[in-house]
Amino acid sequence: EDKVVQSPLSLVVHEGDTVTLNCSYEVTNFRSLLWYKQEKKAPTFLFMLTSSGIEKKSGRLSSILDKKELFSILNITATQTGDSAVYLCAVPYSGNTPLVFGKGTRLSVIA
Amino acid sequence: GAGVSQSPSNKVTEKGKDVELRCDPISGHTALYWYRQRLGQGLEFLIYFQGNSAPDKSGLPSDRFSAERTGESVSTLTIQRTQQEDSAVYLCASSLHRLDGYTFGSGTRLTVV
Repeated sequence: EDKVVQSPLSLVVHEGDTVTLNCSYEVTNFRSLLWYKQEKKAPTFLFMLTSSGIEKKSGRLSSILDKKELFSILNITATQTGDSAVYLCAVPYSGNTPLVFGKGTRLSVIA
Repeated sequence: GAGVSQSPSNKVTEKGKDVELRCDPISGHTALYWYRQRLGQGLEFLIYFQGNSAPDKSGLPSDRFSAERTGESVSTLTIQRTQQEDSAVYLCASSLHRLDGYTFGSGTRLTVV
């Protein structure tokens, strides 16, 4: 039973479009939710969210957490071909345990 | 070092052989993790080391898999009698503390033929 579910599994958009990636989770003793970008092999850290309703922003990327409804979204505005990657969402399954990852959303941005 | 270093970057081995994968975490990072990622799949947790505590081995898929870490430095993941289903990218990550975000290495792509 998957504890972290991401949607959509894949997405193709044109440059300049805005995309919203979704992550829902079911864990005990929630502490944090993390977003990573994986282009080749090594996932790179994007955001760590711990509080509901507080948007984290980095350039064209932003993310927000809803602890009541148990989900997070990752927004990318004015997409570029360099945004093409798999975006991974992860939470510790329980308290301080290692991160459990979703299957990811594969984003393809075409010119 | 500046980042998490893994070696080798690619490994092709014959079914039934043993392989050893190496991970050098960021200096000072007390937590070290191994994950496996099969083609087109998400990251699957294997094992976790935190300082001198007993490792969390709950994700190891079989007794053919084992890992060691010396103190807060290098870790090796060993797969004995490799099978074709072991083919995957093996990713290592480290963090300063267990509640911090992880820094991943570039992984080892293992192909069992």
